[in-house]
Amino acid sequence: GAGVSQSPSNKVTEKGKDVELRCDPISGHTALYWYRQSLGQGLEFLIYFQGNSAPDKSGLPSDRFSAERTGGSVSTLTIQRTQQEDSAVYLCASSAVAGGNNEQFFGPGTRLTVL
Amino acid sequence: AQKVTQAQTEISVVEKEDVTLDCVYETRDTTYYLFWYKQPPSGELVFLIRRNSFDEQNEISGRYSWNFQKSTSSFNFTITASQVVDSAVYFCALIGKTSGSRLTFGEGTQLTVNP
Repeated sequence: GAGVSQSPSNKVTEKGKDVELRCDPISGHTALYWYRQSLGQGLEFLIYFQGNSAPDKSGLPSDRFSAERTGGSVSTLTIQRTQQEDSAVYLCASSAVAGGNNEQFFGPGTRLTVL
Repeated sequence: AQKVTQAQTEISVVEKEDVTLDCVYETRDTTYYLFWYKQPPSGELVFLIRRNSFDEQNEISGRYSWNFQKSTSSFNFTITASQVVDSAVYFCALIGKTSGSRLTFGEGTQLTVNP
């Protein structure tokens, strides 16, 4: 009965380095979402995956951001050449299927600090 | 375009007071879903409720109640007899049928319940 898990819980990196953030969704959930929470921007959608369909990447802020979902389960969000404005809490969520009539369950987040 | 507005940035009450958190939304979709999430100091977003646009019945769950009014595009949340453990940031959110499965969040309301 595990919920959504994310790792690492905290990540400190230097400007210009690449980082990878991991998300393990609730078992059996076919939809997986990434959001970002920052002081200036609030909670923003980044990307979501539904089964084997092409992901909705419309919320990714730049081409430095990418995400993969392997085997329909674990997802990795990669940020290349990190900038200080990338500092935020990155939240992952999953739902049974995509769509508004299914609640999204959130993980504890990864706090990213770019120095 | 979708938008969720939570005009109250911060609310402070004394324990046992009733408190209402306001949420106003904008969407062109006729089918949409509204949500409330709680974010306690631990940081994890906790799902509270989902309503669809065709169901305007108010809902009560223990000390929590929700008032959905399409005529005013509002989905307000009331906590009766507040407790210190209710202290958290509360987010209202929206998914419109044509916007995929992305949650659009309001700015959040920081509720502090003082003993």
